[in-house]
Amino acid sequence: DGGITQSPKYLFRKEGQNVTLSCEQNLNHDAMYWYRQDPGQGLRLIYYSQIVNDFQKGDIAEGYSVSREKKESFPLTVTSAQKNPTAFYLCASSIDPGSGYEQYFGPGTRLTVT
Amino acid sequence: KQEVTQIPAALSVPEGENLVLNCSFTDSAIYNLQWFRQDPGKGLTSLLLIQSSQREQTSGRLNASLDKSSGRSTLYIAASQPGDSATYLCAVRPSNFGNEKLTFGTGTRLTIIP
Repeated sequence: DGGITQSPKYLFRKEGQNVTLSCEQNLNHDAMYWYRQDPGQGLRLIYYSQIVNDFQKGDIAEGYSVSREKKESFPLTVTSAQKNPTAFYLCASSIDPGSGYEQYFGPGTRLTVT
Repeated sequence: KQEVTQIPAALSVPEGENLVLNCSFTDSAIYNLQWFRQDPGKGLTSLLLIQSSQREQTSGRLNASLDKSSGRSTLYIAASQPGDSATYLCAVRPSNFGNEKLTFGTGTRLTIIP
């Protein structure tokens, strides 16, 4: 089955700890994205990557970091510098960044920081 | 800056009725518009993607229309079923080449009453 997997589904951390969210896709897509979703707000883009070893900041990159060492994987680290990290995090991918193809989403990771 | 609005925020209709969900955007310079469905606690499922040159797209009981000049899209659901209950989001992609940033609306939460 082709798709996007995110793990874990639920994640709990103490304030001050860094945490890494996993995103893997076997769709052979070039572009991958990380979004954050908060109640009452639209999805907001954190980082995106159009090709391996390259990524760009989205609208709310502060306090987050990413890497893209493999085409299939785009992990997101939520650092202690992120002031309000509790949220639902969604990973997405699309075939070709310049083609206008639709984005496909993973099941999401709900992060709770206390 | 592109803004996407979905009104109403919530909608309840009896099973079997046809219904229309609305999406409006402030900047008509879009490449495409995508409609998604999101079930509680889950990721987004792509329903329909309309390119800027298209007027509508259909998939089963769903029909999405696009009027780029007026900054509006509608998602028509025919013969609604309880399984259609979910939050429906629209997102627009800007027309400048290589820009992958989607702007999302905050969604319409749809409840179909059996």
